[in-house]
Amino acid sequence: AQTVTQSQPEMSVQEAETVTLSCTYDTSESDYYLFWYKQPPSRQMILVIRQEAYKQQNATENRFSVNFQKAAKSFSLKISDSQLGDAAMYFCAYRSAMTGTASKLTFGTGTRLQVTL
Amino acid sequence: GAVVSQHPSWVICKSGTSVKIECRSLDFQATTMFWYRQFPKQSLMLMATSNEGSKATYEQGVEKDKFLINHASLTLSTLTVTSAHPEDSSFYICSASVRDRMYQPQHFGDGTRLSIL
Repeated sequence: AQTVTQSQPEMSVQEAETVTLSCTYDTSESDYYLFWYKQPPSRQMILVIRQEAYKQQNATENRFSVNFQKAAKSFSLKISDSQLGDAAMYFCAYRSAMTGTASKLTFGTGTRLQVTL
Repeated sequence: GAVVSQHPSWVICKSGTSVKIECRSLDFQATTMFWYRQFPKQSLMLMATSNEGSKATYEQGVEKDKFLINHASLTLSTLTVTSAHPEDSSFYICSASVRDRMYQPQHFGDGTRLSIL
């Protein structure tokens, strides 16, 4: 079974600064997908960024980028130029690429990000 | 983008009542829907996976007679909490996906806050 670990329960960053949220995972599969989801106080789950394991290039989405290290099974999220609206709970998630199923997401425990002025 | 509608967003009811939560995919055919439960300040815990036209697959420890899941069409799945008790109070979130399209992220509903008095 796959596991996802987020070792930082809480992080804090000043507005306009950069912060990195860490995520490690364990799997015996070679093909899979990794995601970062954001959950603001409204509790809506918002997709931040996605990475395909077969791609070496790190995914980027505007101010959000990942550092994907497949051998180390590490998938960190970097938020640049942090904004107050980035304050939320961030979940790292793993999804198998195995066909024949829609495949469930395995979530980490989450990191609560505070953004200060 | 794809939209998943979840209803109701908040329900308060007396102990012993059965409560039905609906999850609808509005602009795509969801062959698979997932139901999650989330306790305050915790991660999402997968309860069950439902595939259209077949019985749901429940995660270990989830009572299938307590949490009835129906996925009768490609756009609608329902979760019924039968004879709800205060310990069933929680935040329930559904997500929808398409079979064999693991590269596509799951699309989440906005969640249902269930409070049992």
